[in-house]
Amino acid sequence: KQEVTQIPAALSVPEGENLVLNCSFTDSAIYNLQWFRQDPGKGLTSLLLIQSSQREQTSGRLNASLDKSSGRSTLYIAASQPGDSATYLCAAKTSYDKVIFGPGTSLSVIP
Amino acid sequence: DVKVTQSSRYLVKRTGEKVFLECVQDMDHENMFWYRQDPGLGLRLIYFSYDVKMKEKGDIPEGYSVSREKKERFSLILESASTNQTSMYLCASSLGTGGYTFGSGTRLTVV
Repeated sequence: KQEVTQIPAALSVPEGENLVLNCSFTDSAIYNLQWFRQDPGKGLTSLLLIQSSQREQTSGRLNASLDKSSGRSTLYIAASQPGDSATYLCAAKTSYDKVIFGPGTSLSVIP
Repeated sequence: DVKVTQSSRYLVKRTGEKVFLECVQDMDHENMFWYRQDPGLGLRLIYFSYDVKMKEKGDIPEGYSVSREKKERFSLILESASTNQTSMYLCASSLGTGGYTFGSGTRLTVV
């Protein structure tokens, strides 16, 4: 059974710092790995989608990597800003109709 | 970009009422999903649909039903609302094994 975990559960950093969020999954047979951002009381916003054949994806200050063999994905945020404060969730797609979500990492960027 | 629209951001309903939550997507995605999100429990799948008039139970279907009469619209129905159905409800859509696009969520309170 696929399980997805995220470390750390919460993170507080000063503005301008580079940071890494971690996502681990137990079964390497995934279609893709997706990173989301969620602001309080809002829906999930897709940040990056990495297909199983890809190693990484980049969008602006965000870079996500995928290592299926080790069951890990990382989300790198460069030059963090207070507006980056949110909860970040990763999700592993195991079939066309099944996605396993991680519990999320709550990020706070201090001005 | 695909847009997923949930008809209400906030709803307050009375116990025993029949409640309809509507979700519409604008990019011909065949897969649509309803989740609920609760603190400490993460996202849990209620129902999903992979085609018009098709529906499949997710992890927590009890007390809910769904309707998909048109490809772009997926409705979640609470047959007789109860206080334990107070939650954030999230609709999502996807194409094949691609990533998910979520709506902005509906915060339902049952009193």
